[in-house]
Amino acid sequence: NAGVTQTPKFRVLKTGQSMTLLCAQDMNHEYMYWYRQDPGMGLRLIHYSVGEGTTAKGEVPDGYNVSRLKKQNFLLGLESAAPSQTSVYFCASRDAGFFSPSSYEQYFGPGTRLTVT
Amino acid sequence: GQSLEQPSEVTAVEGAIVQINCTYQTSGFYGLSWYQQHDGGAPTFLSYNALDGLEETGRFSSFLSRSDSYGYLLLQELQMKDSASYFCAVDGANNLFFGTGTRLTVIP
Repeated sequence: NAGVTQTPKFRVLKTGQSMTLLCAQDMNHEYMYWYRQDPGMGLRLIHYSVGEGTTAKGEVPDGYNVSRLKKQNFLLGLESAAPSQTSVYFCASRDAGFFSPSSYEQYFGPGTRLTVT
Repeated sequence: GQSLEQPSEVTAVEGAIVQINCTYQTSGFYGLSWYQQHDGGAPTFLSYNALDGLEETGRFSSFLSRSDSYGYLLLQELQMKDSASYFCAVDGANNLFFGTGTRLTVIP
């Protein structure tokens, strides 16, 4: 099992450019999440999905769009990048069960470090 | 809205015990999670408390008091590799709201 993978690992964009970050998981998880983490900060939820074809806004959704066309993939799009979107982006997934404390575990990908100049 | 408070930094000696506290205010609460993150790495799950009381997993334990909106992570027999950031996170049913993290430094 590869777990949660993210593509790309690093990217530099110019202001106004667009890009898509890809997240893939091979654990058949229902729930998937996109977070951003800024220096010295916790993770802030951008968007999430509770199943194929569904998406919902998180804490900081402005400037981002997402799609969950396939259960194993969750895409994060930046339509017009801004310097304020310079951050490390983490994708995570979780099973839908609620059977034990470990059921609530979110599995994180390695992150994408994005710089917008 | 939601807010979590945890100390920004803690330093402890190798072999000792350290407790990291977390207080929260939230409009919807299903449980409290703890995650560990080493520099440059991804967060990894440590524990989850849905009910009041203590959950123990090896050297790590986590406690929750729903009436006090308070929890803590207890790390025993500290090792150098435990130097990392620790985040508490409120479970709002479908998503997590993270605190800003506590940086733990373990010294010899």
